[in-house]
Amino acid sequence: QQPVQSPQAVILREGEDAVINCSSSKALYSVHWYRQKHGEAPVFLMILLKGGEQKGHEKISASFNEKKQQSSLYLTASQLSYSGTYFCGTESPPRKTSNTGKLIFGQGTTLQVKP
Amino acid sequence: EAQVTQNPRYLITVTGKKLTVTCSQNMNHEYMSWYRQDPGLGLRQIYYSMNVEVTDKGDVPEGYKVSRKEKRNFPLILESPSPNQTSLYFCASSLRGGRGYFGPGTRLTVL
Repeated sequence: QQPVQSPQAVILREGEDAVINCSSSKALYSVHWYRQKHGEAPVFLMILLKGGEQKGHEKISASFNEKKQQSSLYLTASQLSYSGTYFCGTESPPRKTSNTGKLIFGQGTTLQVKP
Repeated sequence: EAQVTQNPRYLITVTGKKLTVTCSQNMNHEYMSWYRQDPGLGLRQIYYSMNVEVTDKGDVPEGYKVSRKEKRNFPLILESPSPNQTSLYFCASSLRGGRGYFGPGTRLTVL
């Protein structure tokens, strides 16, 4: 079952912050975040593997609450280059001890940053 | 340069005419996957492979076949394409638990 992303779309001014949420109905082993610009392939942002883990990538960071089966992506002081569609991908292997490569993506969150 | 290549990039075909979309990676990755992308539905996994000769169904495998005879290649086969398989297809590869690399995409139209 697809994870649910919220919001579906968000419009920001440069310098503003945004949070994108990803919620799954299944227990998770990992959460993957990607960004896709129009007409291009998705590009990897980060993977989160442990409960409560938080990672950063420039001014983009993410958290993963394994117990709540949720992840959030934080975009701080947004730049024009942050515009695109953000996807979370979740992995729920049977054993919860290793990954399998079966990744289920959410429907995406479209972010538009305006000058 | 690390990359995933797909061919063809664009394809227009007719219902029932068998086709193959090739995917190749030069990073010695164990994991490879195929996705289709449709408006409003995000990326949906068709098939994935954990290593040579090891493949499994994703969420939308109906109407597709794959094979993994070599580590670098993971072709997607449509034995009898139908119009509902018109979509944008992406191949991806990664190390186990690692960052994924997507190919440039193949836009398929089935008339």
